[in-house]
Amino acid sequence: NAGVTQTPKFRILKIGQSMTLQCTQDMNHNYMYWYRQDPGMGLKLIYYSVGAGITDKGEVPNGYNVSRSTTEDFPLRLELAAPSQTSVYFCASSSQTGISYEQYFGPGTRLTVT
Amino acid sequence: RKEVEQDPGPFNVPEGATVAFNCTYSNSASQSFFWYRQDCRKEPKLLMSVYSSGNEDGRFTAQLNRASQYISLLIRDSKLSDSATYLCVLIYGGATNKLIFGTGTLLAVQP
Repeated sequence: NAGVTQTPKFRILKIGQSMTLQCTQDMNHNYMYWYRQDPGMGLKLIYYSVGAGITDKGEVPNGYNVSRSTTEDFPLRLELAAPSQTSVYFCASSSQTGISYEQYFGPGTRLTVT
Repeated sequence: RKEVEQDPGPFNVPEGATVAFNCTYSNSASQSFFWYRQDCRKEPKLLMSVYSSGNEDGRFTAQLNRASQYISLLIRDSKLSDSATYLCVLIYGGATNKLIFGTGTLLAVQP
């Protein structure tokens, strides 16, 4: 029962470097999301997708890009890392059936930019 | 005003105690409400949905007051394993299923 998996678990980047955070779900969910969580703050939505080929911006999209070529995968790209992007990143997925809105989260990626 | 506001705590309670958290929201168009639980350095997980009529799941009771725009979570007979951060979450509705998270209330149950 893999659910939502994220790689890597930890990463340290230098300012200006790029990286891709990987997210895969095996529940055949249409909806996928990327959040960031800063200490003492609520989760903020970065990008989301309602299906393969469809993505849209969330609350804090600047500095990030996403793609959704398959139902399973939803990678998040950081092009020019900045210290303000130091955070914990969570990927989530959900299947909107009936009144169920439960989102299933991956274990997170802890990113430090120095 | 924040969309979702919670007392950050920490709430330090002894085992067996009853503890209650409130959460207020600012947008009256909010349609669905939830409590998520997040253990230290872990991902959030759904604890329970919150219905207008109130709902109970074992030791946990959730209430919604639309007139006053708040939801509550009551935990009876607290266990050490209940120690976590409890996140108040809502959805405005629509087809995108976007959740709005509160910053969470930290509960520490003491032996």
